[in-house]
Amino acid sequence: GDSVTQMEGPVTLSEEAFLTINCTYTATGYPSLFWYVQYPGEGLQLLLKATKADDKGSNKGFEATYRKETTSFHLEKGSVQVSDSAVYFCALGYGGSQGNLIFGKGTKLSVKP
Amino acid sequence: DTGVSQDPRHKITKRGQNVTFRCDPISEHNRLYWYRQTLGQGPEFLTYFQNEAQLEKSRLLSDRFSAERPKGSFSTLEIQRTEQGDSAMYLCASSRDTSNQPQHFGDGTRLSIL
Repeated sequence: GDSVTQMEGPVTLSEEAFLTINCTYTATGYPSLFWYVQYPGEGLQLLLKATKADDKGSNKGFEATYRKETTSFHLEKGSVQVSDSAVYFCALGYGGSQGNLIFGKGTKLSVKP
Repeated sequence: DTGVSQDPRHKITKRGQNVTFRCDPISEHNRLYWYRQTLGQGPEFLTYFQNEAQLEKSRLLSDRFSAERPKGSFSTLEIQRTEQGDSAMYLCASSRDTSNQPQHFGDGTRLSIL
């Protein structure tokens, strides 16, 4: 079946450091890929998405490219801020009649000033 | 939009009791989803509705769990005869029913079983 694997956390970085959170997937079809973020005490929020191979999703300085050849969707940011401290979840979904998302376990990011 | 609203935020109950959670989706969203999230894990899909029709149920949704969306607006998730293993965050999400629409999540209901 389909699945999502994320790098283990926690990840601790200094402010302005470069961030990469790895995400790979296994899929039987051609899913859309998502990154969701969960800030402390808040619900999940969509960070970015990509709907087909080679698409790049971007938002708030974060980027991820849908790589079909490596089945990956790694999240990157060039310069993290303390306010980026959160748990990041990679997910895949098909839409249409198959509505549910399949999530990775999440990666906790802590950014120190 | 006002966002997805879930009630209550926290529920503490004794093992064996029944509990019911409510979710109010974003008003123009036809689809409504329920997920369960345990500590250190990502959300796991339970079930989803297209309007009032329950279209898919996960094998995680045992016979003790039932979900309804009677008028295609709000939804309820009931757990009967709660067990320790039911302790989790229960998340509701909603989306439009066109292709590749993102799901918008509520803040969740945290269930603790004593």
